[in-house]
Amino acid sequence: NAGVTQTPKFRILKIGQSMTLQCAQDMNHNYMYWYRQDPGMGLKLIYYSVGAGITDKGEVPNGYNVSRSTTEDFPLRLELAAPSQTSVYFCASSLRGRYSNQPQHFGDGTRLSIL
Amino acid sequence: EDQVTQSPEALRLQEGESSSLNCSYTVSGLRGLFWYRQDPGKGPEFLFTLYSAGEEKEKERLKATLTKKESFLHITAPKPEDSATYLCAVLGGTGANNLFFGTGTRLTVIP
Repeated sequence: NAGVTQTPKFRILKIGQSMTLQCAQDMNHNYMYWYRQDPGMGLKLIYYSVGAGITDKGEVPNGYNVSRSTTEDFPLRLELAAPSQTSVYFCASSLRGRYSNQPQHFGDGTRLSIL
Repeated sequence: EDQVTQSPEALRLQEGESSSLNCSYTVSGLRGLFWYRQDPGKGPEFLFTLYSAGEEKEKERLKATLTKKESFLHITAPKPEDSATYLCAVLGGTGANNLFFGTGTRLTVIP
């Protein structure tokens, strides 16, 4: 049982390049989330999804896009990478939504550097 | 302002030396408080959920407690494998719809 799987684990991008961070879960969770974690800061929500075909913005969505075509997958797209997007990105999923008190389960993150 | 503050930022303990980590919050309308453990290079791993003041949860050497303003994670006789960053997150805020994360306490247990 893999839980939440993120790929790649590490990536270096040049300014202006684009890339997609992959996230897949095998727990049949409807709710999925993308966070970024910066040094000395708490996790910040970028986007979330309540099910296939439904996504919504979180606290820091600018510069990112998401899609949710299946229950299992929730990719995060960076279109024009900027140095401010250097961070560790975590994908998470939960059985019930972000407004419920069910815990979220996290992947191991993608460490992204923009140079 | 809705906020979650964890203290201390870092804590070094000798093996067997018990201590507590603090998570204080000013988030209104608490609906749940979560504790996570995060190892270097890994994602947060869920430990506990506390729902109301007075509640306690235990798991091995860890015990989490909750009051109306703060939560404590008590570590009894820690071992080196307990070394990790411990994160606190609070569900609540305006409309009780937001999840606020603290910045964590980095615990090091020395053999």
